[in-house]
Amino acid sequence: QVQLVESGGGVVQPGRSLRVSCAVSGFTFSNYAMHWVRQAPGKGLEWVAVISYDGSKEYYPDSVKGRFTISRDNSKDTLYLQMNSLRPEDTAVYYCARDIVIGPGMGGDYFDYWGQGTLVTVSS
Amino acid sequence: DIQLTQSPSFLSASVGDRVTITCRASQYISSYLAWYQQKPGKAPKVLIYGASTLQSGVPSRFSGSGSGTEFTLTISNLQPEDFATYYCQQLNSHLMCSFGQGTKLEIK
Repeated sequence: QVQLVESGGGVVQPGRSLRVSCAVSGFTFSNYAMHWVRQAPGKGLEWVAVISYDGSKEYYPDSVKGRFTISRDNSKDTLYLQMNSLRPEDTAVYYCARDIVIGPGMGGDYFDYWGQGTLVTVSS
Repeated sequence: DIQLTQSPSFLSASVGDRVTITCRASQYISSYLAWYQQKPGKAPKVLIYGASTLQSGVPSRFSGSGSGTEFTLTISNLQPEDFATYYCQQLNSHLMCSFGQGTKLEIK
């Protein structure tokens, strides 16, 4: 069955870096775009990054652009999020999610499988 | 960037009720909208995609409608397990994504 398992969360000081990972199984990882979505404690969902199926395209919202980098290793079925210059407002549960395409290049993609999340706490 | 605004932010209802949640987009997004349900401590679960298509395995009491900039999620005959937080989500042709702020559905 499809599984996405995040790891690498923890407590980190402001200004420092952290990399979280998402190991997948049960599907052909290299066929799917993948996303990171985060949720601050008691708050709503915030999209963080997307990477195309082959790693050739990446997009970010302004809130993390220039600080976060999404990457993937299709030989290891693993997705990564490198987070630099961390701020207290980056404290959140970070979820990886699989992208399902409705119409190629048209938009309307949605997320059908999510991991259980990994908590990142940015605090001194 | 496309902003999604949900209303109401909080909703109180009873088992057996019918409720409707609205999601308004700041720009035209055709029918490219999905709805998710999230329970405390759990990852979100997709209910509806393409504005009105029910995800496999989701009970038929959930339905979605709308296109353009205004969308609705309707839950008929509320069941105890439906009390959760609901989010709308859009993703454009450039893979840029956004979520609504959420609607918390509570038991009256």
